[in-house]
Formats: sequence, structure tokens, C-alpha cells
Amino acid sequence: DTEVTQTPKHLVMGMTNKKSLKCEQHMGHRAMYWYKQKAKKPPELMFVYSYEKLSINESVPSRFSPECPNSSLLNLHLHALQPEDSALYLCASSQIGNSYNEQFFGPGTRLTVL
Amino acid sequence: AQSVTQLDSHVSVSEGTPVLLRCNYSSSYSPSLFWYVQHPNKGLQLLLKYTSAATLVKGINGFEAEFKKSETSFHLTKPSAHMSDAAEYFCVANAGKSTFGDGTTLTVKP
Repeated sequence: DTEVTQTPKHLVMGMTNKKSLKCEQHMGHRAMYWYKQKAKKPPELMFVYSYEKLSINESVPSRFSPECPNSSLLNLHLHALQPEDSALYLCASSQIGNSYNEQFFGPGTRLTVL
Repeated sequence: AQSVTQLDSHVSVSEGTPVLLRCNYSSSYSPSLFWYVQHPNKGLQLLLKYTSAATLVKGINGFEAEFKKSETSFHLTKPSAHMSDAAEYFCVANAGKSTFGDGTTLTVKP
């Protein structure tokens, strides 16, 4: 299984809502990533988890809260988002060990904040 | 410091003609290099990767890339474009952390 799955595919939320994005992989990868991608732009790294521990936070606002419950799952909890947070949120995973390991991306969650 | 420059933001070709998407990189270390493709509203799919073995790398769907250290380039080519190749292409360098180029939009005309 070389697939990264993400749910939901689409999410519309108000600025006062609380929602979560979910990502799952069963490739035995121990690094997992959250990216944010605006239209016509490259993905921007948000968070990196290594061995289920947060290793990189790219100065992301606290209204985004990541969680890695186990080695296969990655969540992104959303609260009090702003309209400018509307974007495609991509999850990725990779092996840990050397930089030759490519990242496997999920299809993304299209988030709209009203 | 590490950077990736995709020299063309848009490339337009006719179906059946060659494709060339250009990528230059800058890194203090010898990075691994990747090309990803992204179709509209989809995730990124790996086309190919350079891992310091062969300098000419073959990928999926007929794509190839040649690593030229002297030119710090990793250009992506395909001999004959297909309509389904129309997408966004990202060149990525990794020397511990991934750095993305700004992307090249490939349009294929019938």
C-alpha cells in the first residue's frame, strides 16, 4: 500500500467552528508532514512529525494544532480560522534516514473558511 | 542555504512535440532532487528522483531528467507531449529539508 489518504476531501467552516483534518498512511513511514498550498503556489511546510513527535513547526499560528496519535495517523485541528486560511491542505509521509527518500502526498483537503 | 529556481512559470507545447521544463538549484550540500506533478485539485505525484547514482534519471510516463552538477541543473524532458501531461510541475531539492520551486504550468495544445 503506497497511498496516503486524507479526509475530508472538502471542508467549509465558519470562523468560530472547530474542525479536524485527518491523514493516514500504512507504508511504515515514521515522518509525516502538513503542508498548506494556495492557488498557483508551491506547498508551504507547516509541521513535521518524526517518530510521532513534533520536530518542526514553521511558525504556524496556534489556531492550527497538529496531533500524531500513532505512527499511521496525523491530524490537524482547526479552530477560529480566518478566511485567508482557505487553501488546499496536503499531508505527506516519508521514511526517515536520508534525504533521498521521497515524500508521498495525499490528495489534500480543500478548506474554505467563511 | 538552499534554493530552487524553475526558470519558466508557463510552458506551452503542442501534442506530440518535446517538453523541456527547466530547474536550477543552489545548495551548500549535495541535495537529492525530485520532480513532482500536480494535476488540478490533486496531490503531488513523484515523477522521478536523483539519488547520486546515474545522472540521467528515468521516471514515470516517459519523463526523464538529467543532473548536471557543473550547471547545477536538473531539467525535466519528455520526447512527445500528451494531452494528459497538462499539469503543474514542481522541482524539489532536499538536503535535510525540502525546498520547492515555484512551479511550472505545462499547457498541451491539441
